Amino acid sequence: NAGVTQTPKFQVLKTGQSMTLQCAQDMNHNSMYWYRQDPGMGLRLIYYSASEGTTDKGEVPNGYNVSRLNKREFSLRLESAAPSQTSVYFCASSHTQLNTEAFFGQGTRLTVV
Amino acid sequence: GIQVEQSPPDLILQEGANSTLRCNFSDSVNNLQWFHQNPWGQLINLFYIPSGTKQNGRLSATTVATERYSLLYISSSQTTDSGVYFCAVEGYSGAGSYQLTFGKGTKLSVIP
Repeated sequence: NAGVTQTPKFQVLKTGQSMTLQCAQDMNHNSMYWYRQDPGMGLRLIYYSASEGTTDKGEVPNGYNVSRLNKREFSLRLESAAPSQTSVYFCASSHTQLNTEAFFGQGTRLTVV
Repeated sequence: GIQVEQSPPDLILQEGANSTLRCNFSDSVNNLQWFHQNPWGQLINLFYIPSGTKQNGRLSATTVATERYSLLYISSSQTTDSGVYFCAVEGYSGAGSYQLTFGKGTKLSVIP
């Protein structure tokens, strides 16, 4: 049982390049999330998908787009990467959006130069 | 939105010592989780504890939802306990949605 799997683990981009971070969960969870972690800031929610077919903005959505491809997969896209998007990105999932435990992937360390 | 404050921000312990980490939150919450982020960056679930007390080995947690705080107890600390401990609370964020909001964490260093 792999839980939440993210790819890639590491990525270096040049300013202006685009990329997609992939996330998949095998726990049959309905809700999925993307967070970013910056030094001293804790984790902040970028986007979430409460259920298949829906997506909503979180606390820091600017510069990102998401796609809930199916129940298992939730991708995060940077259309034109900026140095301010240098961060560690975490994907998470939970059974439902409310009152259930969230589980996290291993993270993607992204550097934009 | 909900504010989550963790204390202390940094903690250094001698191996074998006990410690208490605190999480205060500003509003009613639906659930609360404690995580350990190990030195490799992995977030490990410790407790899902919207209220009451739970124990898992040397770790235990207590949430008093009516007073808006939670405590994480680490007993007989080991060097493998080092890392950052996060508290995260789920609360209403408006427009019918709920979000998990993280505190900034407590960085624990356990020295031999």
